[in-house]
Amino acid sequence: GDSVTQMEGPVTLSEEAFLTINCTYTATGYPSLFWYVQYPGEGLQLLLKATKADDKGSNKGFEATYRKETTSFHLEKGSVQVSDSAVYFCALSDPRGTGGFKTIFGAGTRLFVKA
Amino acid sequence: GAVVSQHPSWVICKSGTSVKIECRSLDFQATTMFWYRQFPKQSLMLMATSNEGSKATYEQGVEKDKFLINHASLTLSTLTVTSAHPEDSSFYICSARVQGGAYEQYFGPGTRLTVT
Repeated sequence: GDSVTQMEGPVTLSEEAFLTINCTYTATGYPSLFWYVQYPGEGLQLLLKATKADDKGSNKGFEATYRKETTSFHLEKGSVQVSDSAVYFCALSDPRGTGGFKTIFGAGTRLFVKA
Repeated sequence: GAVVSQHPSWVICKSGTSVKIECRSLDFQATTMFWYRQFPKQSLMLMATSNEGSKATYEQGVEKDKFLINHASLTLSTLTVTSAHPEDSSFYICSARVQGGAYEQYFGPGTRLTVT
C-alpha cells in the first residue's frame, strides 16, 4: 500500500544553518505530497504542497520539489531560525490509491534549532 | 481561510465517564473530517473518517462503540469517548478535508484528554 518514509530525528542545528529533511514515498497512483508542521502542544499546520511531478511547493522559506523519478519530496530551508523548532511530517494523499481519501503520514522528524 | 477549531482544548475526566470533543470548520464546508490520536513524540494514528450524514468509517483496531463519531452537519463533527479509562488519555486531533484542490487537510489545534 501507499507509504511515506522520512528521516529519523531529532535533527539539531544552529541558527542560520541549512536544513534538509528527507522524505520518500511509495504510491500506486499519482499522489499529492505535503509537508505539515506541528509546534509544541498544537495541531498540525499545512506548510507546503505539490500536486504533480516537478512541482515545487514553498512557504516561509521552506521548499520541497516533487521528484517522481526518485519518489522523493525532501524539505529544505536555507537558513533556519529558533522559531522553526517543531516536528515536521511528510504526507501524501491519493484518492485513487490504496489509501483512498486518507492522508498517509510519515513518522515525523523533530527539529531543534539552537541560538 | 480553512480554519478548524476544536473544543475543549484540554479536559480532565474521571474513569468511567464520557467526554465529547467538538470539531468545527469555521469558514468552509467539510464533507469529510478525520479523527486522529497522537501519543507523545509519535506520529498521528488515524482513528476514523467521518462523512457528513453517514456513519463513520473506523480504522482497524479502533472500537466504534467506545469512540462514537457523529458528523451531523457540514461544519461539525463530534468524537465522544465513552466510559473513558486512563489508557484513553491522549492528544486527539481532528482535521477537515477541503473539497477539490489537492486533498490537503486542515487540522484543529487538538484536545488533550487526561483520564484519572
